[in-house]
Amino acid sequence: ETGVTQSPTHLIKTRGQQVTLRCSSQSGHNTVSWYQQALGQGPQFIFQYYREEENGRGNFPPRFSGLQFPNYSSELNVNALELDDSALYLCASSPGTQETQYFGPGTRLLVL
Amino acid sequence: RKEVEQDPGPFNVPEGATVAFNCTYSNSASQSFFWYRQDCRKEPKLLMSVYSSGNEDGRFTAQLNRASQYISLLIRDSKLSDSATYLCVVKGSKLIFGQGTTLQVKP
Repeated sequence: ETGVTQSPTHLIKTRGQQVTLRCSSQSGHNTVSWYQQALGQGPQFIFQYYREEENGRGNFPPRFSGLQFPNYSSELNVNALELDDSALYLCASSPGTQETQYFGPGTRLLVL
Repeated sequence: RKEVEQDPGPFNVPEGATVAFNCTYSNSASQSFFWYRQDCRKEPKLLMSVYSSGNEDGRFTAQLNRASQYISLLIRDSKLSDSATYLCVVKGSKLIFGQGTTLQVKP
């Protein structure tokens, strides 16, 4: 096990709702990256947080936002959910922005 | 064109077979290269890094050809437990994953 935890494990929402996903990084890791993995695809980079600041963002709209807390845990917020947001959301922590990333088990989001 | 391209497969092979996966990437400025393994409904896990000189870890051998922007993974003496999806990953300012190649090893 990597020591990265995510909650909840599964979630069902309806279109237009908002969702918050949580990630606890591995001890000693100050960087958290979030990914979206649609069925049959590889993970797509959403954004990265380093020491509570956003440090890079992928090609996702502003309704995807995040936070990192002083203990380096992180949240991913998605507003105005769309059906295409249904996916596995993965967070990965690392001891630095360029270091190996260790993935949590993911949150499966289904938008109806 | 996708930044990292892989044949999604599936590759169905018998136990003991040797199987090779390939991957191409579009950004010549990419700095680091990896293979991750992802089991069904689980998170990706780092299998190995890939170096220009080629590197081996037991039954697994990875190769990088920067000139052709091509990465490969060779698995020798396949085991049932090797059945998984293998993700080719390229790192520049961020990690970019390929679609993944599914391997099914049959008894």
